[in-house]
Amino acid sequence: QSVLTQPPSVSGAPGQRVTISCTGSSSNIGAGYDVHWYQQLPGTAPKLLIYRNNNRPSGVPDRFSGSKSATSASLAITGLQAEDEADYYCQSYDSSLSGSLFGGGTKLTVL
Amino acid sequence: QVQLLESGPGLVKPSETLSLTCTVSGGPVSSGSYYWSWIRQPPGKGLEWIGYIYYSGSTNYNPSLESRVTISLDTSKNQFSLKLSSVTAADTAVYYCARTSVITIFGVVRNNWFDPWGQGTLVTVSS
Repeated sequence: QSVLTQPPSVSGAPGQRVTISCTGSSSNIGAGYDVHWYQQLPGTAPKLLIYRNNNRPSGVPDRFSGSKSATSASLAITGLQAEDEADYYCQSYDSSLSGSLFGGGTKLTVL
Repeated sequence: QVQLLESGPGLVKPSETLSLTCTVSGGPVSSGSYYWSWIRQPPGKGLEWIGYIYYSGSTNYNPSLESRVTISLDTSKNQFSLKLSSVTAADTAVYYCARTSVITIFGVVRNNWFDPWGQGTLVTVSS
C-alpha cells in the first residue's frame, strides 16, 4: 500500500529547531521521486513550503529547509516562531498510484 | 500572479453527482507548462489527491476514485471542473483546486507539486 508516514505531532519552544519526518517506500521516495512540503495554517488552504526536496519558493523564509535520503525526507524549521504553528504535509509521486501521494500530516505546536 | 477560485454547491444529496468549477485568473489554463489538479480534505483529516488534467485534455485520476471522477477543461472560460458521481457521506470534504508543476520522463509524469492552491470550498453530502 502506498503510504507516506509522518508523526502526528511535534512541538518546540520559540527559537528552537524542530524536524518533521516523512517515511515512504520503494514506490515513492525510495524510487527517487522528489518530496515536497506544504504548510497549512488553521482555517486556510495549504501553501507550498519546499519543492523538489530542498528548494524554497520565493517568500518562504530560510528558516525552513528540506532534505531527502533513501526512503525518507525531513523538514527542518529553525528559530521557531509562534506563527509557524500549523499542519505540515509531505507529498511525493507514487508509481503504484501513478499519481500524487500525501503524508498524513504533522501538527506543529509552538509551546 | 495566478489565482484560483473554487465554486459550486455546498450541499449534495447522497447518490447524486458533485460538481465544482475552478476559475483561474492571471494565467491561461491552456498553458502547456502546467497541469491543473483537484485535491480534497475531509474535515479534520489529511489531503487526498483526486486527479489532474493537462491542456490537451489528458487526465490522470487517483485509482481509488477513478470510477467516479471526471475532470474537464474549458479554455474559453479559463476554468477546469470536477465531477464526482454517486457521492456518499465519505465524500464530505473541503475541495481544493491547484496549479500543478510537473516533470515528465518520456512524456510520462514522474514528479509533480501543487502551487498555488485555491481557497477551498466545503462540500457536504447529506440528505
